[in-house]
Amino acid sequence: GAVVSQHPSRVICKSGTSVKIECRSLDFQATTMFWYRQFPKQSLMLMATSNEGSKATYEQGVEKDKFLINHASLTLSTLTVTSAHPEDSSFYICSARVGRGEKLFFGSGTQLSVL
Amino acid sequence: KNQVEQSPQSLIILEGKNCTLQCNYTVSPFSNLRWYKQDTGRGPVSLTIMTFSENTKSNGRYTATLDADTKQSSLHITASQLSDSASYICVVSAFNSGYALNFGKGTSLLVTP
Repeated sequence: GAVVSQHPSRVICKSGTSVKIECRSLDFQATTMFWYRQFPKQSLMLMATSNEGSKATYEQGVEKDKFLINHASLTLSTLTVTSAHPEDSSFYICSARVGRGEKLFFGSGTQLSVL
Repeated sequence: KNQVEQSPQSLIILEGKNCTLQCNYTVSPFSNLRWYKQDTGRGPVSLTIMTFSENTKSNGRYTATLDADTKQSSLHITASQLSDSASYICVVSAFNSGYALNFGKGTSLLVTP
């Protein structure tokens, strides 16, 4: 089946540094990629939606200058958490969708811990 | 108000027993409904996806049903195993220009020996 590869799976960084998370669709071209964050025992919260070659659309309350999203190709999207702070510590997940229809696949997630 | 409501919020069952999880939605116009299983610290994994015309779909011990008239779906797990312990998430997609995804908050299932 289709696979979405997300790296790294876990990252620990110092406050003030930037962290980049990659999301790749391995055997299909993703028209749209989504980024979510998830706090313990909470549901997935959509942060932004990105279409290849265009600017990401951010959900209300999500700082676009804080969470930089790049979707440079149909198989790769990156999320950069800039100047990370402890409150940014969370589980970040990407998903990739083919067209507008049924195929939606999730990455395995990245646990970010900011010290 | 969330357009996808799941119940129960959490559930504990004995290994080998069956259980049913519920998902009610108000998303309209409806495109499809998916059930995902999410293990702790992992990304969600697809179990089933159903469109308007489908009212039941199985994936091994998982059987999903859909009643598009009442806007209800259920996920039935048969002969539960310890590895079924996870969060189960219902996701409903709208049939509009953005094909927006609407997530339920999930049901946390714990299967005990």
